[in-house]
Amino acid sequence: EVQLVESGGVVVQPGGSLRLSCAASGFTFEDYSMHWVRQFPGKGLEWVSVISWDGSDTHYTDSVRGRFTISRDNGKNSLFLQMNSLSSDDTALYYCVKQMAETAGNSFDYWGQGTLVTVSS
Amino acid sequence: DIQMTQSPSSLSAFVGDSVTITCRASQGINNYLAWFQQKPGKAPKSLISAASSLQSGVSSKFSGSGSGTDFTLTINSLQPEDFGTYYCQQYNSLPWTFGPGTKVDLK
Repeated sequence: EVQLVESGGVVVQPGGSLRLSCAASGFTFEDYSMHWVRQFPGKGLEWVSVISWDGSDTHYTDSVRGRFTISRDNGKNSLFLQMNSLSSDDTALYYCVKQMAETAGNSFDYWGQGTLVTVSS
Repeated sequence: DIQMTQSPSSLSAFVGDSVTITCRASQGINNYLAWFQQKPGKAPKSLISAASSLQSGVSSKFSGSGSGTDFTLTINSLQPEDFGTYYCQQYNSLPWTFGPGTKVDLK
């Protein structure tokens, strides 16, 4: 059974930093691209970032590029999101999401339960 | 960025009804269109990819169609467990983008 378990979400002050983690199990983690998707309090979904199976290729949505860094540790079946210079606009539930297959043209299949990041003074 | 719109934004239906949700992309996305179901307090669940391919384990009451810019999700014989919010998403080009969602509730 595929499981994705996020952690690291807390209340942080504007300008602060945070590192989210996602522990993966039930599949061969190193074979798949992984994503972070966030859901704002108003319920809208926003794709945040993707990392290729080996970590060599990463992409970000414009609003987080230069502030967030996605990474992975295939030896520990873990995905990470380093978040810097946080603002209230980053307040959201952050999901770790598995891509269906490594090749282009594949969407998501499994989602974690999410970890809540609240940016507030 | 490719903008995704959905209609209606919400709908009410009876148990047993069939409903159709429409999703439109601001430019052609081939068939790189996915649908997700979300229930309150839960993570989204993947239903359909490639516009019409059911994810493993998803009921055949769900069906998707379309290509280019216009797509539909049809849910047949609505049951209480089908109520929730449905999102479409394009994955033709980065950044992948979602529609605003369609809330399906009980009439």
